[in-house]
Amino acid sequence: QQQVKQSPQSLIVQKGGIPIINCAYENTAFDYFPWYQQFPGKGPALLIAIRPDVSEKKEGRFTISFNKSAKQFSLHIMDSQPGDSATYFCAALNTGTASKLTFGTGTRLQVTL
Amino acid sequence: GAGVSQSPSNKVTEKGKDVELRCDPISGHTALYWYRQSLGQGLEFLIYFQGNSAPDKSGLPSDRFSAERTGGSVSTLTIQRTQQEDSAVYLCASSLFGLGNTEAFFGQGTRLTVV
Repeated sequence: QQQVKQSPQSLIVQKGGIPIINCAYENTAFDYFPWYQQFPGKGPALLIAIRPDVSEKKEGRFTISFNKSAKQFSLHIMDSQPGDSATYFCAALNTGTASKLTFGTGTRLQVTL
Repeated sequence: GAGVSQSPSNKVTEKGKDVELRCDPISGHTALYWYRQSLGQGLEFLIYFQGNSAPDKSGLPSDRFSAERTGGSVSTLTIQRTQQEDSAVYLCASSLFGLGNTEAFFGQGTRLTVV
């Protein structure tokens, strides 16, 4: 059962563009939604995270938008740069159990010059 | 180093052999996780250790998989009688406490290839 669905699978944007990656979840017990960034040959690293009591969170050029009623959240990267080229994973957690993150399938982003 | 360390970085093994993958978490982190990343897939949860509590083994795909954490620090993931479908990157992560309050830090992974 795919509890967190992520799209698109891959994305190519030009430098300065705003790539948007979308995720949808099913389990209403999830209450913590992080995004991870992974470069080739490296482990994922936490990028930004949001809790469902807010609809938006910004950290630098990265923004999470959260729609609790639709059970959807998305990552926007403002003024994207070639160095942002990586695979991005959304995830969800029930902090009551705090034992495991449920990940989406990932989006491979390429930012071209 | 100060990060999560995994060894080996790469492992090629013959079908049917046993393999052991090692994870050295960040010192002082009470929680340790193993995930599996297959090509084109997300990260699949395998097992979670928290302090002295019984581990959450709910993600282990079969009884060929086992893991232990000795002394609340180093962890070993063992795969017995490896199969080709076991080929994947195995990632270890640790966090100071449970997730949601503290960040999980991932190692660089062990790429396992079963031939």
